[in-house]
Amino acid sequence: QVQLQESGPGLVKPSQTLSLTCTVSGGSISSGSYYWSWIRQPAGKGLEWIGRIYTSGSTNYNPSLKSRVTISVDTSKNQFSLKLSSVTAADTAVYYCARVRMGNFDYWGQGTLVTVSS
Amino acid sequence: SYVLTQPPSVSVAPGQTARITCGGNNIGSKSVHWYQQKPGQAPVLVVYDDSDRPSGIPERFSGSNSGNTATLTISRVEAGDEADYYCQVWDSSSDLYVVFGGGTKLTVL
Repeated sequence: QVQLQESGPGLVKPSQTLSLTCTVSGGSISSGSYYWSWIRQPAGKGLEWIGRIYTSGSTNYNPSLKSRVTISVDTSKNQFSLKLSSVTAADTAVYYCARVRMGNFDYWGQGTLVTVSS
Repeated sequence: SYVLTQPPSVSVAPGQTARITCGGNNIGSKSVHWYQQKPGQAPVLVVYDDSDRPSGIPERFSGSNSGNTATLTISRVEAGDEADYYCQVWDSSSDLYVVFGGGTKLTVL
């Protein structure tokens, strides 16, 4: 059973960079034809896709965030990561990592709340 | 970019059938996926590729997709089905790639 776990600071100051890591267990991040993705959800609101990465390093990002987002992968650690720069209060949300299988998200992490505040 | 429209809320009595719609331009030409999200929890995939169910999802959950509307149907609704439900498509024709509907709150009366 594949499991994903997000980790990183729960509080980030405005204008700084949000950094999160997703650790995959129960299988190799490199096995199978899967993409790995980040999704976020502000309190009381819907889901917003941030971007995805393949284990080759190929990425795609949400155009609305593209200028501030970097997603990377470390296959040796079975992890992938998210960096979001120049954050504001609007970036406060629960951040989820998820596995992408044939266009859907079949495994999700439990989510981690990131608050942007001074 | 592609837009998916869901009703904000649907209410149903226990034992009845709930239908949650997801509207989009020619959505019938795309594969639609549905997620259930209970308070404080991560979303769970309940239907993928319009009408398939992942392992462990009850047969009470089913889906259909035609024309401009996809529908998630929950038969014999139980109190435990109360949750937010989101539809999602993969839009390879745009840079956005992933589109979620706004979500529907299912209330079991």
